[in-house]
Amino acid sequence: DGGITQSPKYLFRKEGQNVTLSCEQNLNHDAMYWYRQDPGQGLRLIYYSQIVNDFQKGDIAEGYSVSREKKESFPLTVTSAQKNPTAFYLCASSIWGQDYGYTFGSGTRLTVV
Amino acid sequence: QKEVEQNSGPLSVPEGAIASLNCTYSDRGSQSFFWYRQYSGKSPELIMSIYSNGDKEDGRFTAQLNKASQYVSLLIRDSQPSDSATYLCAVPGSGNTGKLIFGQGTTLQVKP
Repeated sequence: DGGITQSPKYLFRKEGQNVTLSCEQNLNHDAMYWYRQDPGQGLRLIYYSQIVNDFQKGDIAEGYSVSREKKESFPLTVTSAQKNPTAFYLCASSIWGQDYGYTFGSGTRLTVV
Repeated sequence: QKEVEQNSGPLSVPEGAIASLNCTYSDRGSQSFFWYRQYSGKSPELIMSIYSNGDKEDGRFTAQLNKASQYVSLLIRDSQPSDSATYLCAVPGSGNTGKLIFGQGTTLQVKP
């Protein structure tokens, strides 16, 4: 079955550590996105990628980095520069264009310990 | 100014009633609109999309779009306790980027 797989489901980060969240899709979608969700709030865009080897910053890119070396994969690194990383991270993909909604992965819950 | 606005709720309705969820948006050029359902602790799931003025029905769900007034609504008929969730409205961002802008969501509680 086609879908998006995020791993791990739960992740704990120590102060000063970089951590990488995995996102893999087998839907043959061109576009992929990373959003962050804080309790009681909507989704805020971190980074997005429309094609391989290209990506753009979203609204809250500071302290995060991404790569898009393969169409299927769009990993997100939360760096030590991100001062408040505790949140629910959602990866999504879509067919390129404005008229298509997203398919979301199951999310990664990151907690700073 | 927020681009997509929703009343955060909670909206509480009795089982079997009609739940009405509303969303307003600021970009008059928006052409497509989406409703997502998010259960607590889970990821959002696309339940409705609408592109033209008027109503679109899918089972117990009806999406209503009024571009002149810049609002989109979601009606849930015969509400069930399993409909209790947060409902997110999403509208494409400016430019042909594929980005979606999400409202903060409305929490719906259906009481048995």
